[in-house]
Amino acid sequence: KNEVEQSPQNLTAQEGEFITINCSYSVGISALHWLQQHPGGGIVSLFMLSSGKKKHGRLIATINIQEKHSSLHITASHPRDSAVYICAVGIQGAQKLVFGQGTRLTINP
Amino acid sequence: EAGVAQSPRYKIIEKRQSVAFWCNPISGHATLYWYQQILGQGPKLLIQFQNNGVVDDSQLPKDRFSAERLKGVDSTLKIQPAKLEDSAVYLCASSLGYLTGEQYFGPGTRLTVT
Repeated sequence: KNEVEQSPQNLTAQEGEFITINCSYSVGISALHWLQQHPGGGIVSLFMLSSGKKKHGRLIATINIQEKHSSLHITASHPRDSAVYICAVGIQGAQKLVFGQGTRLTINP
Repeated sequence: EAGVAQSPRYKIIEKRQSVAFWCNPISGHATLYWYQQILGQGPKLLIQFQNNGVVDDSQLPKDRFSAERLKGVDSTLKIQPAKLEDSAVYLCASSLGYLTGEQYFGPGTRLTVT
């Protein structure tokens, strides 16, 4: 079993829909990261959080440390949000990131 | 602020050949990471440098992969000899320090081994 599991693996939705991507982890962490990867490979960091909730524009990230679970929400989704979203956790005491397998999101116009 | 630079962007080689990738991190970033991302998977850490010292290379196949970060700035990752299963995107990232902030990723080098 991977230390970081994301669901769903693939998600297709219509423009305007509310999107939720989930991340569960099984280890102690120092922080959790949400990353966005567009076709062509480039990765952009969206959020780094260790508790509570963060919001940036239409993106919201939450984390529940007790349940070892995080969610990434996209409100009013748009075709330009189509990308792979990756959850990564900083392993407590190990000073490295472990990545989930990613969720491929496709937003149709 | 200039981002993380990588070259080449694409490389096609035959198995058993050698290849080298170059990375220039963001100025002032002490920590540099090399990741391997196989199609359909998340990135896997190959090696992590803090300045010019290796912090973690536990997942680096040392029989064929090597990396260095001379002077604590630029870094090169080499594969010699390449195998078919090395086909992947090789990503370089940098951060100010050990997980003290966000990691900034370069565009990656897509390697195809035939």
